Amino acid sequence: AQSVTQPDIHITVSEGASLELRCNYSYGATPYLFWYVQSPGQGLQLLLKYFSGDTLVQGIKGFEAEFKRSQSSFNLRKPSVHWSDAAEYFCAVGADGNEKLTFGTGTRLTIIP
Amino acid sequence: KAGVTQTPRYLIKTRGQQVTLSCSPISGHRSVSWYQQTPGQGLQFLFEYFSETQRNKGNFPGRFSGRQFSNSRSEMNVSTLELGDSALYLCASSLGRAARDGYTFGSGTRLTVV
Repeated sequence: AQSVTQPDIHITVSEGASLELRCNYSYGATPYLFWYVQSPGQGLQLLLKYFSGDTLVQGIKGFEAEFKRSQSSFNLRKPSVHWSDAAEYFCAVGADGNEKLTFGTGTRLTIIP
Repeated sequence: KAGVTQTPRYLIKTRGQQVTLSCSPISGHRSVSWYQQTPGQGLQFLFEYFSETQRNKGNFPGRFSGRQFSNSRSEMNVSTLELGDSALYLCASSLGRAARDGYTFGSGTRLTVV
């Protein structure tokens, strides 16, 4: 069965600083990988997804993620964070034949001025 | 186009009661999935419906059930509510292959059981 680990429960960064959120997955074959963002009291919004091809994926709001098969990782990055990026971020994995996504426990991002 | 619509947004129920939550997917999306989100357990998959058939089911007791109508709208029902059922219930729709396409989520229904 697939699984996702987000090792950082909470991260605090200064506005304008760079950001990297970690995600490690476990799955035997090539997975489908996603990053979602959730603002308080809201649903989840898709930031970006990877299922094949170029291992560097561009998403909305200036985010990007890199798939590294050798490290089983799909880390999310942003060169310069804005106060509006404060939210909870979820990594998710999917697999053919199992039509659901498995989510990590999330990383809460706090932005300080 | 309209997003995924969940109603109601908030509910307060008493232990032992039952509740029905509704979800209207994005037009053209035939797959509807439901998740329970709690601070302690995170996002847990409840079930997925595709063309009115339950295609996938998570590890929840039989008190949790769902259905999908011919217009792809979906409802989930929780009977004999327990305090631990308090959560944000999220509906998500996709064209048909959620694992590959990803989901579009609704804003959720916040259920509080007292």
